[in-house]
Amino acid sequence: EPEVTQTPSHQVTQMGQEVILRCVPISNHLYFYWYRQILGQKVEFLVSFYNNEISEKSEIFDDQFSVERPDGSNFTLKIRSTKLEDSAMYFCASSDKTGGNYGYTFGSGTRLTVV
Amino acid sequence: QKEVEQNSGPLSVPEGAIASLNCTYSDRGSQSFFWYRQYSGKSPELIMSIYSNGDKEDGRFTAQLNKASQYVSLLIRDSQPSDSATYLCAVNSAGKSTFGDGTTLTVKP
Repeated sequence: EPEVTQTPSHQVTQMGQEVILRCVPISNHLYFYWYRQILGQKVEFLVSFYNNEISEKSEIFDDQFSVERPDGSNFTLKIRSTKLEDSAMYFCASSDKTGGNYGYTFGSGTRLTVV
Repeated sequence: QKEVEQNSGPLSVPEGAIASLNCTYSDRGSQSFFWYRQYSGKSPELIMSIYSNGDKEDGRFTAQLNKASQYVSLLIRDSQPSDSATYLCAVNSAGKSTFGDGTTLTVKP
């Protein structure tokens, strides 16, 4: 069964450092998403990406965040200057051409710990 | 008001019983409705989707949708200990899904 692959599984970083979280979506999917889940809280939308540009972003996705699809297979989330409150599980998701109307396939997540 | 609200848990049922999970949503323009299962420390896994009013059955799972009442539910028949997880209701609108807080279900042997 096709999978969304995320690396690394766990990242520890110092406050103020930049991190890049990587995702390989399912190959024939065209819509890509980043969600995050702070421990014990709900899954929150960050950003959606289609046709090499951001489709929609949430209030969480401020200037510290950026996304990129650098090579046609990888999809990355960059946090420029991490804060303690960025500590969370970050999930990449992808969906088929219908833009998520048939649900997402989530990756296994990257646990980001900012110290 | 929360955009997607789920019945507060935790919910505990004995093995073999029916578990009932409920969800309400605020956006009347929502088009697609989903239930995800999330085991502790894992990512959400899509288990049911529903798009029109009525019931949709898939094995031991039945999703119910009532757009007039803005209500979605999930029934799990013959609950098994392996069903113990957090169940997330998600509502799709404008190309993105909004998730509820989740309801944690424990099925006791």
